Amino acid sequence: GAVVSQHPSWVICKSGTSVKIECRSLDFQATTMFWYRQFPKQSLMLMATSNEGSKATYEQGVEKDKFLINHASLTLSTLTVTSAHPEDSSFYICSARDGVTRDGYTFGSGTRLTVV
Amino acid sequence: GENVEQHPSTLSVQEGDSAVIKCTYSDSASNYFPWYKQELGKGPQLIIDIRSNVGEKKDQRIAVTLNKTAKHFSLHITETQPEDSAVYFCAAINQAGTALIFGKGTTLSVSS
Repeated sequence: GAVVSQHPSWVICKSGTSVKIECRSLDFQATTMFWYRQFPKQSLMLMATSNEGSKATYEQGVEKDKFLINHASLTLSTLTVTSAHPEDSSFYICSARDGVTRDGYTFGSGTRLTVV
Repeated sequence: GENVEQHPSTLSVQEGDSAVIKCTYSDSASNYFPWYKQELGKGPQLIIDIRSNVGEKKDQRIAVTLNKTAKHFSLHITETQPEDSAVYFCAAINQAGTALIFGKGTTLSVSS
C-alpha cells in the first residue's frame, strides 16, 4: 500500500532557530500533500495544502511566513518552521494523496517538535 | 467550510462488547468519509472508509454506515479487543474538495 515517510520523528530546537520537516511519498506520486498540526489530546488541524510546483494554500490563521512549505517534486514536500517559539511545540503530521488513483489519504508518522 | 462533529469523546467498553462512534458533517457535497486510528505518538492509520455512493461497508470486525440525508456516518467495532484501545478520528472532505477535516476524536478504552 501507499507509504508516506516523514522525518525527523522528533526534534528539539532552541527558540529563534528554524526547523525543517520532510514528507516523502515512497511508492506513489503525490501532486498534493497536506500539513497538519496536533496539540496534545486534540484533533488534527489542517495548516496548509501543498501543491507540487506551486504555492501552498494556507488555512485561516496560519502564518505563511512562519510555516514555509515547499513542494518541489511529486514525492517530496517540506515544512520549515522559522524563528520557532515554544508555542510552536506540537506534533506535525503530513499527508499525501495518490495523484493517479486518487484513493485515500496516507499519513506520515508525525514529527514531535519541542522548542526550548 | 466543512465542520465535523464526533461523539462520544471517550468510550469505555468491556472486551468482547461492541463500540459505536458517530460523526456528523456539514457540507452536503462531501463524498468521502474515512476513519482513522491513532496510537500515542504515531500518525493516524486508515482503518476503513466509505464513499457517498455506498450506505455501508464492512471489513471483518469493523463497519461504517453512512446516511447522506442526515449527513452522519458511524463506526462500528464488534468483539472489541484490548488492542483496539486508541483514539479514533472521523473525517470528511473540506469544501475545496481536497483536504480532510477531522472530528475531535474518540478515546476508546477496551478493558479485559
